[in-house]
Formats: sequence, structure tokens, C-alpha cells
Amino acid sequence: DQQVKQNSPSLSVQEGRISILNCDYTNSMFDYFLWYKKYPAEGPTFLISISSIKDKNEDGRFTVFLNKSAKHLSLHIVPSQPGDSAVYFCAAKETSYDKVIFGPGTSLSVIP
Amino acid sequence: GAGVSQSPRYKVAKRGQDVALRCDPISGHVSLFWYQQALGQGPEFLTYFQNEAQLDKSGLPSDRFFAERPEGSVSTLKIQRTQQEDSAVYLCASSHPPDTQYFGPGTRLTVL
Repeated sequence: DQQVKQNSPSLSVQEGRISILNCDYTNSMFDYFLWYKKYPAEGPTFLISISSIKDKNEDGRFTVFLNKSAKHLSLHIVPSQPGDSAVYFCAAKETSYDKVIFGPGTSLSVIP
Repeated sequence: GAGVSQSPRYKVAKRGQDVALRCDPISGHVSLFWYQQALGQGPEFLTYFQNEAQLDKSGLPSDRFFAERPEGSVSTLKIQRTQQEDSAVYLCASSHPPDTQYFGPGTRLTVL
């Protein structure tokens, strides 16, 4: 059973607009959430994270929102740029343990 | 070269052959992780080391898979008697808790 779900395999957005990537999780023990970005033939790179004690974390153009009651988080990219085109993985873990569970990813295409 | 490195980057094996995949973590990183990423999927946890101790190997798919990190630095993932279903990208990541994981570029294994 998939503990971290990303129900949109792909997303296309016009340059300059907002990209919203969604993620749902099932394990209520998860209390730390991460987003990773992956380009072809490279390993995932860390983008932004959020602890369950917060509902929002912002870093430049990237903002992650967490809704604990709905077990849902989202990544907002504003404004989207062509260089943002990549696969985005949502991931979750328990703070007390290093093991990270990844979602299947969403492929984002930002069209110039 | 401060990042995680993996070798080889690409490996083609005949079914039944043994393979060994190497990971050089970031110097000083205590934790080391191995993941398997099938096409179109997110990284799936295989195993985790803290220094030389293998703390979790619950993700290893069968007893044909074996990982070691004898001196708490370099790690090797060995797959014996490879099967076609072992074809995937094998990712290594390292971290210094509580920091996030840094991934290597991966080894793409193709079993013919």
C-alpha cells in the first residue's frame, strides 16, 4: 500500500504562472515532509521541507503547505520558470527515524 | 568533489550474473541509504546504515540483495544471480542527521 501518493503523473504550466503539485499521505506517524526535484540522469535534489508543527514554509519561489487533518500537502512554485521542468517527488518521514518514503513523482513541464 | 558519487553509472548484466554497485558518500556523513527506482516510480527504500551498522534492511526485495559498509564510509550493494526484474536505477544517498539526504546520480542496471 502506497503511503505517499502523488495522483497527478504530469502537469503542464505556462511560464510565469503558478505550478501546484499535490501530495497525500496515509501514515499518521509522518511528521516531516520533503520535496525533491529530479532532472533526467541525475539523482533527486532536496528542494524544501516542512515539519508537522507548521502549516506553511516558504523559500523564494517555492512554498509548501501542509494540511495535517487532510493528510495533504502541496508545493507551489510562483512564478514558474522553464528551468523548473523536472520530476518532483513528495517524501515523508518520522522525525525520530531517518527512513524516507517517496511518492511516485509528478513530471512538471513549464512551457515558455 | 563534495557530492555523493556512484559507480558504475551504467551496468548491463546477463541474467544470472552477480553485480556490485558502489557508493561513495559525502565525507563525514553518518547515514547512508540505498534506494531502487523503477521506471516511472519514486525511489523505493532498500536499506540504511548508520556508520557501519545496517539498521534497516526491510526493503531488500530478496536474499539475492546484500549491502555492506564495513568501515562506515563507502558502501557496496551486491545483487546475486540478477533477474530481469532487478533492472532499475539504484540510488545512494547520505546524510548527517538531522539534515536531509543528498543523493548520488544513481547506477542504471539493465539485466538482459
